[in-house]
Amino acid sequence: AQTVTQSQPEMSVQEAETVTLSCTYDTSENNYYLFWYKQPPSRQMILVIRQEAYKQQNATENRFSVNFQKAAKSFSLKISDSQLGDTAMYFCAFEGGSQGNLIFGKGTKLSVKP
Amino acid sequence: SQTIHQWPATLVQPVGSPLSLECTVEGTSNPNLYWYRQAAGRGLQLLFYSVGIGQISSEVPQNLSASRPQDRQFILSSKKLLLSDSGFYLCAWETPWHYNEQFFGPGTRLTVL
Repeated sequence: AQTVTQSQPEMSVQEAETVTLSCTYDTSENNYYLFWYKQPPSRQMILVIRQEAYKQQNATENRFSVNFQKAAKSFSLKISDSQLGDTAMYFCAFEGGSQGNLIFGKGTKLSVKP
Repeated sequence: SQTIHQWPATLVQPVGSPLSLECTVEGTSNPNLYWYRQAAGRGLQLLFYSVGIGQISSEVPQNLSASRPQDRQFILSSKKLLLSDSGFYLCAWETPWHYNEQFFGPGTRLTVL
């Protein structure tokens, strides 16, 4: 069975600094997708970034980038130039197999301090 | 563009009462639909998913049920709520041919007293 682990329940970063959120997963699949979702206090789930496992190049979206290490089954999220609006819960998620449902980690609460 | 709606936004129900949460999607056809629950301090847990009208798969045995009476409508129900049913319920949709991304609705906060 697939599992997703986020080992950092809470993190904080100063505004304009860089922070990295960790995520590891376990799967026997070879083709799958990985995601980072952001959940601000409004509770709306927002897709931040996605990575296809078959792509070696790390995905980037503006200030957000990932470090995807397939052999190590690691998928960390780097947020550069942190902004106050980045304060939120961040969930790492895995999608693979025939069902296609997302498996989430327990989340990391990120606080950006002014 | 596609949008997903959930209602109600918040709900407070007594133990033993029935439940009906509704999710509708606009701007797409034949989506895969999902119901997730987020308990306090925990990650999302998949409850049900549907690949078509009348087709429901359950991931976790519990006192909840789901139905899909129309292509873009997904309903989460219970005949008798338990205290443990409290949580944040998210509906999501996905078109399998578009990057396997799931898009979430705004969610429903359910409190069972």
